[in-house]
Amino acid sequence: AQTVTQSQPEMSVQEAETVTLSCTYDTSENNYYLFWYKQPPSRQMILVIRQEAYKQQNATENRFSVNFQKAAKSFSLKISDSQLGDTAMYFCAFSGTWAAGNKLTFGGGTRVLVKP
Amino acid sequence: EAGVAQSPRYKIIEKRQSVAFWCNPISGHATLYWYQQILGQGPKLLIQFQNNGVVDDSQLPKDRFSAERLKGVDSTLKIQPAKLEDSAVYLCASSIQQGAHNEQFFGPGTRLTVL
Repeated sequence: AQTVTQSQPEMSVQEAETVTLSCTYDTSENNYYLFWYKQPPSRQMILVIRQEAYKQQNATENRFSVNFQKAAKSFSLKISDSQLGDTAMYFCAFSGTWAAGNKLTFGGGTRVLVKP
Repeated sequence: EAGVAQSPRYKIIEKRQSVAFWCNPISGHATLYWYQQILGQGPKLLIQFQNNGVVDDSQLPKDRFSAERLKGVDSTLKIQPAKLEDSAVYLCASSIQQGAHNEQFFGPGTRLTVL
């Protein structure tokens, strides 16, 4: 079974600065997807960024980028130029092959607080 | 485009009572998921439907939880009887099809408190 671990329960960052969230996972599959989801307070979860395991290039979405290290099974998220609206819970998630029904396995989450 | 709708948003019940949650996925989405999110934890998949068939219900406590998606659109998740440990947010999500490359869109969730 796949597991996803987020070792940082909470992080704070000053507005306009950069913060990096850690995520490690365990799987025996060779092809899979990794995701970062954002869950703002009392609001619904949205997808921030997605990485396909067979793609070596790290994914980037505006101020969000990942550092994907397949051999180390590490998938960190960097938020650049942090904004107050980035305050939220961030979840790292794993999804295996189509045959597994693309079930998402989530980590425990990291709470990010952006301070003005 | 309307998002995933869920109701009710909040529910408080006594233990041993029953409760039902409703989800309406994004129009045209064939795959529907129910997740349980206990406070301070990440969501955990309870059941996944592809149209009106069950793809994965391996983590659904079948002695008390049931779910259906009879016409392949709306879905209902029921708990009967509820236990204290069922207190959680129940999230519904949908995707256009199965496949990890297809984004899952989440609803606002139903927060259940069991007293």
